[in-house]
Amino acid sequence: AQSVTQPDARVTVSEGASLQLRCKYSYFGTPYLFWYVQYPRQGLQLLLKYYPGDPVVQGVNGFEAEFSKSNSSFHLRKASVHWSDWAVYFCAVSMNMGYKLTFGTGTSLLVDP
Amino acid sequence: GGIITQTPKFLIGQEGQKLTLKCQQNFNHDTMYWYRQDSGKGLRLIYYSITENDLQKGDLSEGYDASREKKSSFSLTVTSAQKNEMAVFLCASSRTGVQDTQYFGPGTRLLVL
Repeated sequence: AQSVTQPDARVTVSEGASLQLRCKYSYFGTPYLFWYVQYPRQGLQLLLKYYPGDPVVQGVNGFEAEFSKSNSSFHLRKASVHWSDWAVYFCAVSMNMGYKLTFGTGTSLLVDP
Repeated sequence: GGIITQTPKFLIGQEGQKLTLKCQQNFNHDTMYWYRQDSGKGLRLIYYSITENDLQKGDLSEGYDASREKKSSFSLTVTSAQKNEMAVFLCASSRTGVQDTQYFGPGTRLLVL
């Protein structure tokens, strides 16, 4: 069965610093991977998605993620964090491009001013 | 563009009570989803529907019923609320399957006394 692990429940970074949020997936096949963001009191919004191809995927607001089959990972990165990035970030995986997404437990990002 | 509306925003119930949550979307999307979000557990799929009058069970369907009587609306019923239960229920829609972006509503916050 597919699964996603986000090992860091909370990450704190200073504004302007770089960011990496970790995501590990478990699936014996070709995964389709997603990062969603949930701002306070809002629904989730898609940041970026990976389909088999270029391992580095660009998303909105300067976010990017890199797929690594050897490490079973899909880490999210940003070069310079802004205070408005304060949110909860969810990694998700789908198998076979059906209808079901499996979400990780989320990583809360706190930004120090 | 479009929007997903969830009602009510907050729901307080009593143990054993049947509670109904409603979701409306004006994207004209075929597929709609109900997720449950618990602190520290991420999102878990309860039910989804790929077209009007269709229902598919997710990973957490026990204790819930769902109804998709119109393309634009998707209801979820908690059949018997559990004491001290506290969760956020998120509705989402997408044009078809996971290859299309899922758009999320702001959520209904449930508290059972």
